Amino acid sequence: EAQVTQNPRYLITVTGKKLTVTCSQNMNHEYMSWYRQDPGLGLRQIYYSMNVEVTDKGDVPEGYKVSRKEKRNFPLILESPSPNQTSLYFCASSLGLDSWGETQYFGPGTRLLVL
Amino acid sequence: KQEVTQIPAALSVPEGENLVLNCSFTDSAIYNLQWFRQDPGKGLTSLLLIQSSQREQTSGRLNASLDKSSGRSTLYIAASQPGDSATYLCAVTFSGGYNKLIFGAGTRLAVHP
Repeated sequence: EAQVTQNPRYLITVTGKKLTVTCSQNMNHEYMSWYRQDPGLGLRQIYYSMNVEVTDKGDVPEGYKVSRKEKRNFPLILESPSPNQTSLYFCASSLGLDSWGETQYFGPGTRLLVL
Repeated sequence: KQEVTQIPAALSVPEGENLVLNCSFTDSAIYNLQWFRQDPGKGLTSLLLIQSSQREQTSGRLNASLDKSSGRSTLYIAASQPGDSATYLCAVTFSGGYNKLIFGAGTRLAVHP
């Protein structure tokens, strides 16, 4: 089944404790991205990657890191989480062949609480 | 600033009603507009994608229209069912934003029997 998976689905942590949220897709997609969703604000893009070893900042990158060492994986790293990073996080992927916008496929989300 | 707005924020209707969800965007220079459905714990599901050159797209009981000049899109749901209850999100790829989606805050729909 074609899908985007994220782990963990739920995470409670404390301020300053490094964490990684994994994202994997099995559709051989070139393009992957991370969004966060906050009440009343909609989803906002954190980082994106057009291909392996190619990443760039989205609209709200502060406090986050990403890497793209393999095409299928795009982990989101919070090196020193803070309470304002409490949010619902989504990973998404698309073919990446059309820069004019393609149907994007989203993972199930990771709900993060930073105490 | 490129923004997407959705109204109403929440909607409750009886089963069987036809309904319209609204989306507006601030810049007419777009590549496409997508409507998503969000169910708790299940992520986002793409419903319809309208390219900038298109006026509407249809899938089953769903019809989405696009009017770039006025910066508006509507999602029409015919003969609503309780299974349609979810949050509906409108997202726009603006020109120059490589595959980056700008989302509205969503409309939370409840269809009651």
